[in-house]
Amino acid sequence: EVQLLESGGGLVQPGGSLRLSCAASGFTFSSYAMSWVRQAPGKGLEWVSTISGGGGDTYDADSVKGRFTISRDNAKKTLSLQVNSLRADDTAVYYCARRGNSWYSFDYWGQGTLVTVSS
Amino acid sequence: DIQMTQSPSSLSASVGDRVTITCRASQTISTYVNWYQQKPGKAPKLLIYATSSLQTGVPARFSGSGSRTDFTLTISSLQPEDFATYYCQQSSSTPYTFGQGTKLEIK
Repeated sequence: EVQLLESGGGLVQPGGSLRLSCAASGFTFSSYAMSWVRQAPGKGLEWVSTISGGGGDTYDADSVKGRFTISRDNAKKTLSLQVNSLRADDTAVYYCARRGNSWYSFDYWGQGTLVTVSS
Repeated sequence: DIQMTQSPSSLSASVGDRVTITCRASQTISTYVNWYQQKPGKAPKLLIYATSSLQTGVPARFSGSGSRTDFTLTISSLQPEDFATYYCQQSSSTPYTFGQGTKLEIK
């Protein structure tokens, strides 16, 4: 059974940093690209970042470029998102999601971790 | 960036009704459209990928169709557990973008 478990969220002041993690199990982690998708309170879904299975290619939304860094450790089956220079509009639930190999849908999701940016 | 315009934004329907949600892409995206269901406080769940392929375990009352720029999600006979918010998403190119969502409520 595919499982994705996020951690690392919390309350942080504007300008602060956090490191989000996603522990994966139940599938060959290195064979899949992985993504982060976020959802601000009461709002819709926003894609944040994607990293290839080998980790060599990354893609970021313009809204986070230069502030967020996606990475992975295939030996530990862990996906990470380093979030820096946080702003109030980064407040959201951050979901880890597996990207399917054929049509690039997000076929499995974690339960999410809440990041709140506030002074 | 490819914009996904979803309609309606909300919909009231009754158990047993047939419901259709539409999504229009700002440019042609072949069949790279996916549909998700989200219930309050839960993660989204993939229903349909590649426009019309049913994800494993999803009931057959859900179906998808379309091509190029116009896509639809149809629920043939609403069940109580189907009342939720639905999102379309294009996976043709990054940035991957979602529709604004359709909240399906009980009439």
